[in-house]
Amino acid sequence: KAGVTQTPRYLIKTRGQQVTLSCSPISGHRSVSWYQQTPGQGLQFLFEYFSETQRNKGNFPGRFSGRQFSNSRSEMNVSTLELGDSALYLCASSSVAGYRETQYFGPGTRLLVL
Amino acid sequence: AQSVAQPEDQVNVAEGNPLTVKCTYSVSGNPYLFWYVQYPNRGLQFLLKYITGDNLVKGSYGFEAEFNKSQTSFHLKKPSALVSDSALYFCAVRDGGSSASKIIFGSGTRLSIRP
Repeated sequence: KAGVTQTPRYLIKTRGQQVTLSCSPISGHRSVSWYQQTPGQGLQFLFEYFSETQRNKGNFPGRFSGRQFSNSRSEMNVSTLELGDSALYLCASSSVAGYRETQYFGPGTRLLVL
Repeated sequence: AQSVAQPEDQVNVAEGNPLTVKCTYSVSGNPYLFWYVQYPNRGLQFLLKYITGDNLVKGSYGFEAEFNKSQTSFHLKKPSALVSDSALYFCAVRDGGSSASKIIFGSGTRLSIRP
């Protein structure tokens, strides 16, 4: 089975711009979660989607949003980028929503905001 | 509120020696505990998890972890370290008492295995 794929892998933007990141889960997985990883804050949960519905959201401002499509692919969007948004954004998928399930991570999208 | 702590930023071990990476947690409900490993410029790879049952959990690459409820710990162990085990290790916890709980990650421990 192919793993979780994320595109693009690297991205450079300037402050004030917006960005959209894409995640394709493992085939058959219906749950997708997003995380932000920075040296200062570590790994932080952004959102979790299941069957096109947002099930959970982390403590991030409204500039961070996401969605999930009927094929389980997910996108996250960050508007009005700030320097502090520079991070590795990780996507993870699992077969069902829920806390027992193992999450499988993609390689991440590294975003640099100048 | 739930939390997880990895008290050591770095652990150094000689190849062939046993290794331990420490993790303690706090949740109000039943703890669901996970270990992940991250290699440079890569995403996280799942190692093992504890949901219920046997306190000793065996995982990938020869790693195991012991759930200790009284000490609220979930330390990662391996009997004989390899240089290829050098990486960043994350412990994570989720509150099993709530389906709406978020997963919380520790700050990570960098494991360095010297030849």
